[in-house]
Amino acid sequence: KQEVTQIPAALSVPEGENLVLNCSFTDSAIYNLQWFRQDPGKGLTSLLLIQSSQREQTSGRLNASLDKSSGRSTLYIAASQPGDSATYLCAVPSNSGNTPLVFGKGTRLSVIA
Amino acid sequence: DAGVTQSPTHLIKTRGQHVTLRCSPISGHKSVSWYQQVLGQGPQFIFQYYEKEERGRGNFPDRFSARQFPNYSSELNVNALLLGDSALYLCASSRLTGQISYTEAFFGQGTRLTVV
Repeated sequence: KQEVTQIPAALSVPEGENLVLNCSFTDSAIYNLQWFRQDPGKGLTSLLLIQSSQREQTSGRLNASLDKSSGRSTLYIAASQPGDSATYLCAVPSNSGNTPLVFGKGTRLSVIA
Repeated sequence: DAGVTQSPTHLIKTRGQHVTLRCSPISGHKSVSWYQQVLGQGPQFIFQYYEKEERGRGNFPDRFSARQFPNYSSELNVNALLLGDSALYLCASSRLTGQISYTEAFFGQGTRLTVV
């Protein structure tokens, strides 16, 4: 059974800092990993999708890496801004290549101006 | 293009009542999944439908049911509501290729259900 863990559970940083969010999963036989952002009480916004054949994916100030063999992914946020404050969730398919997604509990990020 | 749309956005129901939540996927997406998210937790899978057929069911009681229509929209039904059913219900759509999904899941804004 796939399990996803995210560390830390919460993080508070001053504006401008670079930061790293961590995600680990127990079954390395995945086809992809997806990072989401969730604002309080809102739905999920897809940030990045990394296919298993990729090692990293970039979008603007966000960079996600994937190491299947060790069951880990990191989300790097450069030059953080107060608007980045949200909960960040990672998710992987529960079986090899099939949905549904298994989520971690998320990392709650606060960027202080 | 419109994203995934869910209705209603908020709902208050009494214990024992029935509720129906609705979801319209992104145009061209044939797969719809439902998730329940309680405060402080990640979303938990409830159902997945593809081409109007149930493809998967999570660990939820039979009070939960769903269906998908010919236009790929979907409904989630919950009977005999309990206080513990209070949660954010999320719908996701994706473009599946056969048995394997290499594509992103896109989520709606959710329906906040409060059971009193």
